[in-house]
Amino acid sequence: GESVGLHLPTLSVQEGDNSIINCAYSNSASDYFIWYKQESGKGPQFIIDIRSNMDKRQGQRVTVLLNKTVKHLSLQIAATQPGDSAVYFCADLTDSWGKLQFGAGTQVVVTP
Amino acid sequence: NAGVMQNPRHLVRRRGQEARLRCSPMKGHSHVYWYRQLPEEGLKFMVYLQKENIIDESGMPKERFSAEFPKEGPSILRIQQVVRGDSAAYFCASSPTGTGGYGYTFGSGTRLTVV
Repeated sequence: GESVGLHLPTLSVQEGDNSIINCAYSNSASDYFIWYKQESGKGPQFIIDIRSNMDKRQGQRVTVLLNKTVKHLSLQIAATQPGDSAVYFCADLTDSWGKLQFGAGTQVVVTP
Repeated sequence: NAGVMQNPRHLVRRRGQEARLRCSPMKGHSHVYWYRQLPEEGLKFMVYLQKENIIDESGMPKERFSAEFPKEGPSILRIQQVVRGDSAAYFCASSPTGTGGYGYTFGSGTRLTVV
């Protein structure tokens, strides 16, 4: 079936290094993608979004890249900090009503 | 701005009991979404409601689960005759426009444990 999925379940990153989290999607009709951060015991927190008419979008320390040819998007976190330790989810909007389809998540662990 | 408020944060129920989960959307938000998260999995859509209307319940189990969003008061997700498999974190999100994206805000969730 159509789904949004992640490549790696856990990513260990040294503090100060850059993190790259990958996500593949299968629905070629997907046109809006969102990255969320979820800390332990909390709800998902919006990080950044991107529409299918773009291939790159930058925020504060984060960049999302979208490759429609291979149906892949990634989240890059610059200069990873201990506070970036969390589970990161990609999601796509499946209809005009705001229903989101989430991937399984990648646990990012920042080591000193 | 208190954000999306969910209560209780933790709920323990014995098999066969009823669970009631509450969600108060952000002020000015009239669109509410419920999601379920099993351990180490992503969130799965359950139901989308507007005031007094269920718009999309395609993710709701056919039996034992119901949701409402009355004219006054919070949205309620009700699970009757709970079973162990209902143990999960249940998240509510609200939106001002029903289109997702930046304005879509999640609560901190209710963690249901069925013993």
